[in-house]
Amino acid sequence: NAGVTQTPKFQVLKTGQSMTLQCAQDMNHNSMYWYRQDPGMGLRLIYYSASEGTTDKGEVPNGYNVSRLNKREFSLRLESAAPSQTSVYFCASREQGYFGQPQHFGDGTRLSIL
Amino acid sequence: GENVEQHPSTLSVQEGDSAVIKCTYSDSASNYFPWYKQELGKRPQLIIDIRSNVGEKKDQRIAVTLNKTAKHFSLHITETQPEDSAVYFCAASSNAGGTSYGKLTFGQGTILTVHP
Repeated sequence: NAGVTQTPKFQVLKTGQSMTLQCAQDMNHNSMYWYRQDPGMGLRLIYYSASEGTTDKGEVPNGYNVSRLNKREFSLRLESAAPSQTSVYFCASREQGYFGQPQHFGDGTRLSIL
Repeated sequence: GENVEQHPSTLSVQEGDSAVIKCTYSDSASNYFPWYKQELGKRPQLIIDIRSNVGEKKDQRIAVTLNKTAKHFSLHITETQPEDSAVYFCAASSNAGGTSYGKLTFGQGTILTVHP
C-alpha cells in the first residue's frame, strides 16, 4: 500500500509555462484534495473532489484547474505559471464519512517558478 | 467560511516539560478536529483527532481537549522529547447540511522545539 503518491517531487518552471501535478491514491478513497503550503500560512485548499466526477473550488483556486480522472487520480494543472505560485503542493485523500475522517497526505511537490 | 486561529506560532520547551498548543474556530457547525505533525521537508501526518461528541481524547503522551461552547481545542504533549520537535497544525472540518466532503481549514502552525 503506497498511500498517496505525488509526481514529480521537484520542479522548476519559467513564468508562463504550464504544468500538471499528478496525484494517485490506492486506498479506495472517495474524496481527494489539493493544498498549497507557504511559509507561515499553513495549508490552504486549492480544489477538492468529493467523489469521482465532481470537483469544487477551495480557498485559493485562481490560476489552477483540476481533473478527477478516475477514483484513484486527481491532477492539478497550472496553465500559465506565475512566481506567486511557487509553493509546496500537497495532495490528500480521505474516506467519506458523516462525522469526519482523517485526510492522508502525499509527500508533496516542491514547485519553483522563476 | 471557517476560520482557525492557532497559538503560539513558536514554542520552545525543555525535554521532559509539557507543551500546549491552542486553536480557536469560528464555525459552530464544525464537528471534526484533527492535529497534524509535520517534520521538516515531510508530509503532514495525523497524530490525533477528536470529534464533537467527545470532550477529550488521549493517546499515550498526546491529548486533545475540545470546548464546543467556547469554540476552542487544544493539543497537550507531556514528557516532551527532542523527536517531538516539528511543526504542528490544527484543523477544523464541518459537515453542515449533511455533506461529508471533509474540507479542512488549517491553523497557521506552531513550531515546537524541544531542547535536550
